[in-house]
Order: sequence, then C-alpha cells, then structure tokens
Amino acid sequence: EAQVTQNPRYLITVTGKKLTVTCSQNMNHEYMSWYRQDPGLGLRQIYYSMNVEVTDKGDVPEGYKVSRKEKRNFPLILESPSPNQTSLYFCASRGPGGDLGSYEQYFGPGTRLTVT
Amino acid sequence: QKEVEQNSGPLSVPEGAIASLNCTYSDRGSQSFFWYRQYSGKSPELIMFIYSNGDKEDGRFTAQLNKASQYVSLLIRDSQPSDSATYLCAGEGSRGPGTYKYIFGTGTRLKVLA
Repeated sequence: EAQVTQNPRYLITVTGKKLTVTCSQNMNHEYMSWYRQDPGLGLRQIYYSMNVEVTDKGDVPEGYKVSRKEKRNFPLILESPSPNQTSLYFCASRGPGGDLGSYEQYFGPGTRLTVT
Repeated sequence: QKEVEQNSGPLSVPEGAIASLNCTYSDRGSQSFFWYRQYSGKSPELIMFIYSNGDKEDGRFTAQLNKASQYVSLLIRDSQPSDSATYLCAGEGSRGPGTYKYIFGTGTRLKVLA
C-alpha cells in the first residue's frame, strides 16, 4: 500500500529538548515536504526536498532542520523547541510531475506536537 | 503577505445543490493549482489539480482556472453530506518548473445540509 508514515503521532515535550519527527514514504518519490498547520493560518511549508541531499526552505523554516540522506526518509528536527512550535505537522511526498499521477501529493497522518 | 486567499466560511449548501468554492492568488508565476479536501483531524487529500486556463471536470467536481484574473474555483455538483469538509486551495510556486514549493490558502469550510 502506497503510504507516508510519520512518527510519533503525538508528542508532548518541554522547551529546549531536542526532538526528531520521522517521515518515510514507500513510493520512491523524489519530492518530500514538511508542513505545519495552525488554526487560521492554514498549511505552511517548512522545508522541502527535491531529491537526496537537495533541500530548500519553505515559508516558515526558522527553528527547524531537515536532512535527506535516503530517498525514502525526510526527518524534521527541532533542535530547541519553543511553545510557538506547538502545531500539527504533516509530511508529504510527490512524484516528479509531468504526468497525471505524479501531481498527487500524498500526506502522512500528521504529528500533533505540544511544547510546554 | 498571503499569496493564496480563500473565504474561511462556513459555506452551507443543501444536499443536492452545487457548492462553489473560490480562491485567488497573487503570484502570477504560479503554474499549477490544487484543491485538497481535509476532514476534521485527518490529512489533506487531493481532489483536483489544474494548470491550464478553463475548466477541468472529474465526476462531480469541476475546477476552473482564470490566470488573467488570478482566480481558481471548485464546483461540487450534487453535494452530499459526506462532502462536508474543509477545502484547501494551493498554488505551486514559481521558482521554476517542478520546484515543488506550495502555498496553501487557509481553507473554506463546507457544510452540506441533509
């Protein structure tokens, strides 16, 4: 089954304690992306990756890091989380585009993060 | 500054009616536009994408794009209670073809009344 998985699904942590949210896809997609979703602000892109070792900032990259060492994995790292990073996070992947199927962006189930 | 604007709603329509969802964008370089449906507590799922001016139909859904007016819309015919969800409009940013930088609107909540 084609899917994007994220772990953990729920996380409560304290300010300053480094954390990593993992993301993995089994569709051999080149493109992967991280979003955060906040009430009234919608989905905002944090970082995206067009292939292994190729990443770029989205609209709200501050306070986040990513790496893409393998095609299937795209972890999101919060080195020193703060309460304003409390949000619902989605990982997504997509094929390269150019034919009908590849434009579909598959989203993971989401990770609800609370930073106290 | 927001680049994709949507009315937050809720938009309420009776069952069987046509629901019309609208979106405007500011980046003239945006090439492709997407409509996602998101049920409460779930992840977004793609409904339609469009990249050419005009209409594109898929079952009960029709997407419309007008690049001159920077306007995208989604029509849902024969609306069903199961269509009740938040609909997100997104544009693919203009850093070049296939750059995969998406800008999402804040979404329109649709309620279909039985």
